[in-house]
Amino acid sequence: QVQLQQSGPGLVKSSQTLSLTCAISGDSVSSKSAAWNWIRQSPSRGLEWLGRTYYRSKWYNDYAVSVRSRISINPDTSKNQFSLQLNSVTPEDTAVYYCARNQADIDFWGQGTLVTVSS
Amino acid sequence: QPVLTQSSSASASLGSSVKLTCTLSSGHSDYIIAWHQHQPGKAPRYLMKLEGSGSYKKGSGVADRFSGSSSGADRYLTISNLQSEDEADYYCEAWDTDKWVFGGGTKLTVL
Repeated sequence: QVQLQQSGPGLVKSSQTLSLTCAISGDSVSSKSAAWNWIRQSPSRGLEWLGRTYYRSKWYNDYAVSVRSRISINPDTSKNQFSLQLNSVTPEDTAVYYCARNQADIDFWGQGTLVTVSS
Repeated sequence: QPVLTQSSSASASLGSSVKLTCTLSSGHSDYIIAWHQHQPGKAPRYLMKLEGSGSYKKGSGVADRFSGSSSGADRYLTISNLQSEDEADYYCEAWDTDKWVFGGGTKLTVL
């Protein structure tokens, strides 16, 4: 059974960088059949996919257009985890952030981390 | 990109059945979707993949009470013999070229 354990601060100041980590058990971040996603949820935006990283003989990233200039998702093979960095945050980035695995579908989710951006 | 439309709320009595709907926007009626359940205080949970033909495949451990069906642009999740633990938010989701898109979710209340 795949488990995703999220960690990171719940409070970030405006203009700073939001950083979260998702530790994977039961699968490998280097799996050639999976991709590793970050998704957020807020009352104003609902569920919003932010981006993903995946390995297919080399590493790839896909990012949502809305955050493309500010986001970075990186694997850490030594720790079997992946991370999210979102730069220059504003209060609009306040949301519950989820990591998730997809194969054909999104099939496993992390528990979620509420991140509040203070002005 | 497809827009996935869900009713914001639904309710049904304990032991009864309920059918939740996810409607795909025009031009996207053949899309495959997935259903997810989000119980309060828990991680969201994958329920099933559902094709336009009505064929569905459930995730590991999903109870027999959960089933899927389709009609045109509509994708349905039916929950039979409702239990109190079925009270949750239900989301549909689809992959579109280069991104995941989600419905707004339906909050199910078990009376």
